[in-house]
Amino acid sequence: QAQLVQSGAEVKKPGASVKVSCKASGYTFTNYVMHWVRQAPGQRLEWMGWINAGNGNTKYSQNFQGRVTITRDTTATTAYMELSSLRSEDTAVYFCARGEYCSGITCSSYWSFDLWGRGTLVSVSS
Amino acid sequence: DIQMTQSPSSLSASVGDRVTITCRASQSISTYLNWYQQKPGKAPNLLIHAASGLQSGVPSRFSGSGSGTDFTLTISSLQPEDFATYSCQQSYSTPPTFGQGTKVEIK
Repeated sequence: QAQLVQSGAEVKKPGASVKVSCKASGYTFTNYVMHWVRQAPGQRLEWMGWINAGNGNTKYSQNFQGRVTITRDTTATTAYMELSSLRSEDTAVYFCARGEYCSGITCSSYWSFDLWGRGTLVSVSS
Repeated sequence: DIQMTQSPSSLSASVGDRVTITCRASQSISTYLNWYQQKPGKAPNLLIHAASGLQSGVPSRFSGSGSGTDFTLTISSLQPEDFATYSCQQSYSTPPTFGQGTKVEIK
């Protein structure tokens, strides 16, 4: 069955970078958009950005502009999210989540996060 | 950005109760509204898509309704496994945004 397996927990110092991976299996990786969503302790879910796994196009939240980079490796069916210049407020659980289905250049207009990774805890502390 | 506001933020209910959670968007989003259930330490799980579509595998006691700015998630008869936090999310425009969550607790 379809699943997303994320990399393990990370502990980082302020100013460092972190790269989280998300390996997809059980479905055609390049037919979907992959999103990254984070959740700080006690806070609502916050969208960070997405990558079209087929063509590699990306879009990022303005809240993270310049600090977040999402990439993918189609051979490894894996998406990556790198967040730089970490600060204590970036302590959160980071999720990858499957979004829109895309066929060629057209992606579904109605979409939802229908498949999630288990999450990766990133702790930022000096 | 479209703001999503849920009410209540928390509620206490008993097994067998009918539970209703409301989500309001800051502008019209047609039916581009999804609902998720999240248990502590777990990822969200999609319950309802496009305002009223029941996700495959989700029990029929869950239902969704609404369009425009006002939406409702209803659990017709609360079960022990339903105690969790429920969040709405709009997919009308980028960035997709979530409500603050409604925690359903045992009375």
